[in-house]
Amino acid sequence: SQKIEQNSEALNIQEGKTATLTCNYTNYSPAYLQWYRQDPGRGPVFLLLIRENEKEKRKERLKVTFDTTLKQSLFHITASQPADSATYLCALARRHGQNFVFGPGTRLSVLP
Amino acid sequence: NAGVTQTPKFQVLKTGQSMTLQCAQDMNHEYMSWYRQDPGMGLRLIHYSVGAGITDQGEVPNGYNVSRSTTEDFPLRLLSAAPSQTSVYFCASSYGEDTQYFGPGTRLTVL
Repeated sequence: SQKIEQNSEALNIQEGKTATLTCNYTNYSPAYLQWYRQDPGRGPVFLLLIRENEKEKRKERLKVTFDTTLKQSLFHITASQPADSATYLCALARRHGQNFVFGPGTRLSVLP
Repeated sequence: NAGVTQTPKFQVLKTGQSMTLQCAQDMNHEYMSWYRQDPGMGLRLIHYSVGAGITDQGEVPNGYNVSRSTTEDFPLRLLSAAPSQTSVYFCASSYGEDTQYFGPGTRLTVL
């Protein structure tokens, strides 16, 4: 069966360090992979999208990689700040449009 | 733009009651979806729509109904509420680039 795993339920890092979150999937061939941020009591907010033919995408302090051979995406936040503390979700879709499948999320805490 | 709005924010139902969760978007998006979010399970797709008059089932559709009579609105109906439907429900919309915009959520408790 299809499965999406995110490296851990919770991740604590020191302010200023690089946070690396992992999204692994099995029995799935996504055309798109997205990362979202979710704060407590709020809906997810879109951060980045990467397509299957792209290896890396950057946006300000964020970087996403996508390795379809390893079936893995890495999400990096450089120079992390306490304001980056949130739950981060990865989502995969086979094609343009709906039918996104979400991972369970990783709760990141950046300690001052 | 208000984006995606959902009402109510909180709701408590008794087993067997029915209700409708409202979702509206003012971005003229083609795609709209309903998800439920449970601890440790991530977001699971309930139903989705690719345009007015077109709906389809997602991963967990049982016990829920949807309709899409306009581009803006996509209500979710619980036919006969069960405790297993206690969850946080999110509506989302998207157009073109697959970026989904989520509403603030409805926290539903079924007693």
